[in-house]
Amino acid sequence: SAVISQKPSRDICQRGTSLTIQCQVDSQVTMMFWYRQQPGQSLTLIATANQGSEATYESGFVIDKFPISRPNLTFSTLTVSNMSPEDSSIYLCSVDFWGGGTDTQYFGPGTRLTVL
Amino acid sequence: GENVEQHPSTLSVQEGDSAVIKCTYSDSASNYFPWYKQELGKGPQLIIDIRSNVGEKKDQRIAVTLNKTAKHFSLHITETQPEDSAVYFCAASDTNDYKLSFGAGTTVTVRA
Repeated sequence: SAVISQKPSRDICQRGTSLTIQCQVDSQVTMMFWYRQQPGQSLTLIATANQGSEATYESGFVIDKFPISRPNLTFSTLTVSNMSPEDSSIYLCSVDFWGGGTDTQYFGPGTRLTVL
Repeated sequence: GENVEQHPSTLSVQEGDSAVIKCTYSDSASNYFPWYKQELGKGPQLIIDIRSNVGEKKDQRIAVTLNKTAKHFSLHITETQPEDSAVYFCAASDTNDYKLSFGAGTTVTVRA
């Protein structure tokens, strides 16, 4: 399996500011993803973080609001820009891990963001 | 895109009883179906998954069944214990892009 860490684990931010969330995995992985989980809701895919190229965003999410970096096969960042209270959510990193002849998706512990 | 529906939204069971959660999906191209357990304040934890080339998979007290013709899959937890109390999510993806579409979640409460 893959062990994923995220920093920060939680933060409280003022509206109009930006926060960068880091995701580190203990193995090299091809595919990394960022999800958002609004309070009491399910998970929604924001984007696929591609190593060496721009991220691929899902409908409703744009690069200006959620810029993503993927400098290598074990690390990615998600920035939540110009935040508003509606951005208060849990942001989750996941990876597709290949092992034992199959691939499996694992999630990090999440970053709990509150925007005031 | 893929649409995953999950039922029920809440489930309360007596300790020792079984719990069953059902999901349906819309995209016939989906071929990977994981289940995640999320405890309060934590990230989703993979508990079991199934791929389209099998109809059933079991791991101790947890089992998952898949009916590709009907496009539904189910999670079965037997001999439930208080530590099984959590939110459970089903998901589906096509292994061409690995993007997971999630159900709305089921809050399971196991009564001691």
